[in-house]
Amino acid sequence: SQKIEQNSEALNIQEGKTATLTCNYTNYSPAYLQWYRQDPGRGPVFLLLIRENEKEKRKERLKVTFDTTLKQSLFHITASQPADSATYLCALDPASGYSTLTFGKGTMLLVSP
Amino acid sequence: DAGITQSPRYKITETGRQVTLMCHQTWSHSYMFWYRQDLGHGLRLIYYSAAADITDKGEVPDGYVVSRSKTENFPLTLESATRSQTSVYFCASSESGEAFFGQGTRLTVV
Repeated sequence: SQKIEQNSEALNIQEGKTATLTCNYTNYSPAYLQWYRQDPGRGPVFLLLIRENEKEKRKERLKVTFDTTLKQSLFHITASQPADSATYLCALDPASGYSTLTFGKGTMLLVSP
Repeated sequence: DAGITQSPRYKITETGRQVTLMCHQTWSHSYMFWYRQDLGHGLRLIYYSAAADITDKGEVPDGYVVSRSKTENFPLTLESATRSQTSVYFCASSESGEAFFGQGTRLTVV
């Protein structure tokens, strides 16, 4: 069966450092991979989408890599700030035609000043 | 207001009662989704819709019913609520991959 794994333990880093979050998947061939941010009591908010033929994508302080051979995506936040503290979800889209997303359980990031 | 809105934000209901969660989007997105989020499970897809009058089951559809008579609305009905349906429910819409989520409905079944 399909399986998506994200670091279950919270990631604690200091302000200014680079945060790296991991998303691994098995038994899956997604056409796209997406990352979302979720704050407590709120719905997920879209951050980045990367296609299977793209190795890397950047947006301001965010960078995502997508390795379809390793079945892994890395999500980086450079120069992290306390406001970046949240739970980050990866989501796989099999391009089924319905844009249905399968989400990982998320990794909580805590950035301390 | 533009965007995607869910109502109610909070709901407490009794076991066996029927309850309907509402979802409305103003973008005319083709795709709409219902997810539930539980500790230890993350977001799981209940039902989705590709257009008005087209719906399909997701990963956990049992006990739920949806309809989509208009593009902008996608209500989710629990026909006979059970305690296992206590959860936070998120509606989302999408047109080209990126999904936009509502603020969620926290449902408690007692």
